[in-house]
Amino acid sequence: GESVGLHLPTLSVQEGDNSIINCAYSNSASDYFIWYKQESGKGPQFIIDIRSNMDKRQGQRVTVLLNKTVKHLSLQIAATQPGDSAVYFCAENKYNQGGKLIFGQGTELSVKP
Amino acid sequence: EAEVAQSPRYKITEKSQAVAFWCDPISGHATLYWYRQILGQGPELLVQFQDESVVDDSQLPKDRFSAERLKGVDSTLKIQPAELGDSAMYLCASSHSLDRGSYEQYFGPGTRLTVT
Repeated sequence: GESVGLHLPTLSVQEGDNSIINCAYSNSASDYFIWYKQESGKGPQFIIDIRSNMDKRQGQRVTVLLNKTVKHLSLQIAATQPGDSAVYFCAENKYNQGGKLIFGQGTELSVKP
Repeated sequence: EAEVAQSPRYKITEKSQAVAFWCDPISGHATLYWYRQILGQGPELLVQFQDESVVDDSQLPKDRFSAERLKGVDSTLKIQPAELGDSAMYLCASSHSLDRGSYEQYFGPGTRLTVT
């Protein structure tokens, strides 16, 4: 079946360094992805999205890269801050199936001061 | 800033008991989703509503779970009887009607269910 998954369950970085969180997907027809941040005790929060007609999209301190050839996407966080500590999920938005989200398992990012 | 409201935030119940969760989506959002998130995993869709109609309940264990959104606004998710394996976070999300081309889902804080 189709799946969305992350490469590493945990990532620890030093404050100020850049963070890279990776995600792979199996369905080559997948074409709309979203990154979510989930802090402890809270629901997922939208960070940034990307569609398959793009290979890069930038937000404030975040960049998402999409490589359709190898079915891989990544989230890059610049100058990581303690407030970035959370679990990050990549998700596929099945907009042709009512917009439901297929989540990966998440990477827990820890930022060391 | 408008938010999705959920209650209760925490619920402890004994197995075989009934439990219910409530969600109030952002005003004007026609689409409402219930997800279940087991500890350490990503959320999984249980049921999706468009206004008061169920759009997708293919992953809802219908022998014990039920969901309703009678007036197309707030929604209730019920489990009866609860089982130990139902212990999880239950998340509600809402979005504008899909025919408006908006796909961003806004999540509530969730209800943490513990079944003993």
